[in-house]
Amino acid sequence: GIQVEQSPPDLILQEGANSTLRCNFSDSVNNLQWFHQNPWGQLINLFYIPSGTKQNGRLSATTVATERYSLLYISSSQTTDSGVYFCAAGGKLIFGQGTELSVKP
Amino acid sequence: GAVVSQHPSRVICKSGTSVKIECRSLDFQATTMFWYRQFPKKSLMLMATSNEGSKATYEQGVEKDKFLINHASLTLSTLTVTSAHPEDSSFYICSARRRTGLEAFFGQGTRLTVV
Repeated sequence: GIQVEQSPPDLILQEGANSTLRCNFSDSVNNLQWFHQNPWGQLINLFYIPSGTKQNGRLSATTVATERYSLLYISSSQTTDSGVYFCAAGGKLIFGQGTELSVKP
Repeated sequence: GAVVSQHPSRVICKSGTSVKIECRSLDFQATTMFWYRQFPKKSLMLMATSNEGSKATYEQGVEKDKFLINHASLTLSTLTVTSAHPEDSSFYICSARRRTGLEAFFGQGTRLTVV
């Protein structure tokens, strides 16, 4: 089945910094999503982005389907951005291992 | 739109008993629902996929007799953990997908503790 890998596993930022999270997937997909898991475990949908680029406020995402990767950009990070970011891909929505982001004031 | 509600959010049960977790799509019809399990500091592991009106498809290594999944209507799927043991303690999360489109929406999760 499809394999999904995320990098980096951990990321520490100073408030105001920008960051890029990466998601690689092993096979062509028609579904890719980015999520933020809050401290209570709820998964918040950030982007549904099987291809192309989308932006929502300080967050944007790009998926290059032909090269099997997706990137999540966080600009001007805030402490409330802290948490785990997951990408998931494929019809069965297989999850990567996540990137744990910590934004320091 | 696209709200998925999971209940209960937290449950403690005694070893050997069964516990049922409900997953409801509140404002859309969910033809497909997924059930995941998450261990602390780990990723989500897909347990099974259920389609309305048909039997669930379990992932390799998931005991179908222990984790009973029912998707009886277009808005409700249930996961029953039968004869629960302490090793079944975990965070269980459901997600639902509309008839049209591949985007999935997640419930709040259920933290199960078996004592």
